[in-house]
Amino acid sequence: DAGITQSPRHKVTETGTPVTLRCHQTENHRYMYWYRQDPGHGLRLIHYSYGVKDTDKGEVSDGYSVSRSKTEDFLLTLESATSSQTSVYFCAISATGGNVGNTEAFFGQGTRLTVV
Amino acid sequence: DAKTTQPPSMDCAEGRAANLPCNHSTISGNEYVYWYRQIHSQGPQYIIHGLKNNETNEMASLIITEDRKSSTLILPHATLRDTAVYYCIVRGGAAGNKLTFGGGTRVLVKP
Repeated sequence: DAGITQSPRHKVTETGTPVTLRCHQTENHRYMYWYRQDPGHGLRLIHYSYGVKDTDKGEVSDGYSVSRSKTEDFLLTLESATSSQTSVYFCAISATGGNVGNTEAFFGQGTRLTVV
Repeated sequence: DAKTTQPPSMDCAEGRAANLPCNHSTISGNEYVYWYRQIHSQGPQYIIHGLKNNETNEMASLIITEDRKSSTLILPHATLRDTAVYYCIVRGGAAGNKLTFGGGTRVLVKP
């Protein structure tokens, strides 16, 4: 398995509290991604990073912020958690290849977040 | 981003080949076709990817039509552990390295 660790694996938090999820990689890959998955749905991209301090929004970025101060860590923050952010969050990494899109992405095992 | 179309579900018999179709009629010349699967609520698992040639690895084969508008993932000898949701994804080109997931195909392997 690719060296990806998500923490925590499970978290229950109250509405209105800030929450930070961490994705740590040991592969030195350039690209990192945060996805969310809701019951019965596919994964939706929240934010991604294409290098240290270089991030961009995905399709469902509202209510989320990210930071990447070093290659190995990509943090996802919910500034003020809401019940609609209850979901399973997946981190992914991928390397750069000769052609854009030509390197596989590997996923972590997910963080199950419940906002009550 | 090129979109993909997959059947929502399919069954296959254990030990038989499973052929999973995918349509990607708007794919551009520098976009790759990727396949991932997700078992239960685990993280998606990479299976295979290709540009225009057919590809094979230890898990599966990928057959891409000559016009690149569709592809088929083949699991040569399906086992019960292959029961999963399979996602066909187009990646690269103007969309860069993002992976955009659709609904996938829910595959049930039956004994």
